[in-house]
Amino acid sequence: DIQMTQSPSSLSASVGDRVSIACRASQTIHNYLVWYQQKPGKAPKLLIYAASTLQSGVPSRFSGSGSGTHFTLTIDGLQPDDFATYYCQQTYSSPPVTFGPGTKVEI
Amino acid sequence: QVRLVQSGPEVKKPGTSVKVSCKGSDYTFTRYDISWVRQAPGQGLEWMGWISTSNGDRNFAQSLQGRITLTIDTSASTAYMELRSLSSDDTAVYFCARRNPHLEGPDNYFYHALDVWGQGTTVIVSS
Repeated sequence: DIQMTQSPSSLSASVGDRVSIACRASQTIHNYLVWYQQKPGKAPKLLIYAASTLQSGVPSRFSGSGSGTHFTLTIDGLQPDDFATYYCQQTYSSPPVTFGPGTKVEI
Repeated sequence: QVRLVQSGPEVKKPGTSVKVSCKGSDYTFTRYDISWVRQAPGQGLEWMGWISTSNGDRNFAQSLQGRITLTIDTSASTAYMELRSLSSDDTAVYFCARRNPHLEGPDNYFYHALDVWGQGTTVIVSS
């Protein structure tokens, strides 16, 4: 199974900051990497797929990069609505689909 | 508006079973598979399995093999997840999600992701 790790596990930031979250796969997943945002008590929301393609309706301050085993989610100009937990997910090898452990972005 | 609506919260005794439903609306149900994901309190997302809504093919997480059943009723645009032999470790919020394989990437290939999620169903297992 492909294992996914994320760093940091949590971070503190302020409105307007540029924030980066790293995701690493235990073996190459090419660009089959998805990012989700989850707020407390809510279902996850699709942000980015194919490592760098923004889902329709997602603000352009979100961007994704990387391929192979190293990936990054960047939020450029953090907004109050962005405080949430972010998960990466590999869709290259299934089953199983695997998620990273999450990164909580706090004020 | 494309939606997945799940059944309500459940409280179950250890050793019993739970069945959660997930009804799709405002899209062609059989064009998209349904995945199930759960989240224990304060924990991350755990993929449980998926089922093809077109032919019934399914795959499960190894850890749940033998305890999970995924079914669909295409006439009702509804997917079901049944989990048996419940223990306290199964206390979680259970989500269904639409697996969209028609997402076009930067290289003109198509990718899949979970693009529509149900609201979640809380299942508490307690004696």
